[in-house]
Order: sequence, then C-alpha cells, then structure tokens
Amino acid sequence: DVKVTQSSRYLVKRTGEKVFLECVQDMDHENMFWYRQDPGLGLRLIYFSYDVKMKEKGDIPEGYSVSREKKERFSLILESASTNQTSMYLCASTLRGRGLLHEQYFGPGTRLTVT
Amino acid sequence: GENVGLHLPTLSVQEGDNSIINCAYSNSASDYFIWYKQESGKGPQFIIDIRSNMDKRQGQRVTVLLNKTVKHLSLQIAATQPGDSAVYFCERAGSARQLTFGSGTQLTVLP
Repeated sequence: DVKVTQSSRYLVKRTGEKVFLECVQDMDHENMFWYRQDPGLGLRLIYFSYDVKMKEKGDIPEGYSVSREKKERFSLILESASTNQTSMYLCASTLRGRGLLHEQYFGPGTRLTVT
Repeated sequence: GENVGLHLPTLSVQEGDNSIINCAYSNSASDYFIWYKQESGKGPQFIIDIRSNMDKRQGQRVTVLLNKTVKHLSLQIAATQPGDSAVYFCERAGSARQLTFGSGTQLTVLP
C-alpha cells in the first residue's frame, strides 16, 4: 500500500510566522503535489514537483514555496503566514512521469489555522 | 479557463438505493477523469477512473459514465451503504499542468 504521510494533522500559527509542512511518500513516486482545499472551492494546486530539485508552480503559488531535496519528501513553506492561508493542505504523489498522470495518492491532510 | 464542477453540493439517499453524482467539464481536450472519495478527516482516495476514449467503466458497486457530447461525467454507486457517506469529487487530468478538481458533493446515506 502506498503511504503518504504529512507531518502534522493540525497546526496553529501566528500571522507572519514561517511555516513548514512536510510530506513523505514511501513508494518511490516521481511526482508530488501540494494542494489546498477550501469549502466550495475544491482542491487547488499550489506547487508540484516531478523530480528531485524540480518544481513547478500550480494555480495559486503566491505566498508559498516548496523544496524537494529527496525523492520521498516534498515540503511546503509559507514564508510569512497570513490569515487567508488558513486552510486544509493536502499532499499527493503519483508514479507516472510528466505525461499522462495516473491517480493520485493523498496524505491525510494538515489543517492549518493562522491567527 | 477549465471548469470542472459538480451539479449538487449535497445528496441524500436511502440506504440500499442507488446514488448518482454528477460532474461537468468544459475542456474537450481532457484525457483522463478520476473520481475520489473523501471521508471526514481523511485525504481523498481513488475510486475509479475513465479515459476519454471510453464511455463507461465499472468497478465494484461503482460505475462511471462519460458523455463527451455534453461534457458530463457521472459516478453511480449501487446499493448505497452507510460507509459510502463522504464527499465525492471528480478530477480532470491531462498532464501535471492540467489538473482540475470539482468542488465536491457531500453524499449522506440515510438509514
């Protein structure tokens, strides 16, 4: 079974803090993704990575950065957290390369609250 | 831009009845559609997928229908059970830069 784990289930941070969300997958997947999920808006892609040290912006990258130093780990960084970044953050991974993607395997999510 | 949406935000069905959850899309170049189930407090899980060269695909108790003429996708769950209560949403995937998710339908199974 593919396992995608996220470092925290719940996180509360103050405005202006730097926040790190970690994601680890154990199936040697090439592609990894970070999404945020908000009521009525569905899943929105923040960043994705198709290889170590490679990253591409998704639909809403502003205010975020990512790091992929190892194949199994993909980190999402909020440089200076703001209240509008309060959300559920989901990490996902897939095996395929840059072509047609297969289904994604999701982590359990991190519910981040910025006060 | 791409629009992948669901017709109804909520759906309630009696246990044992069939459920139908719908999704519409606007981009005809879609290659691949996936349905996910997301239970409360958990990440989404893959249910079933269908490629754009197919009209129908069946799994265990689930069927996905793709109507390319009207750009409509549906998920049918047979004999709905309490464990089927969750949010269901569709994804359109063509490449890593062409991922679009619907906002989800909350399915509630009534006893």
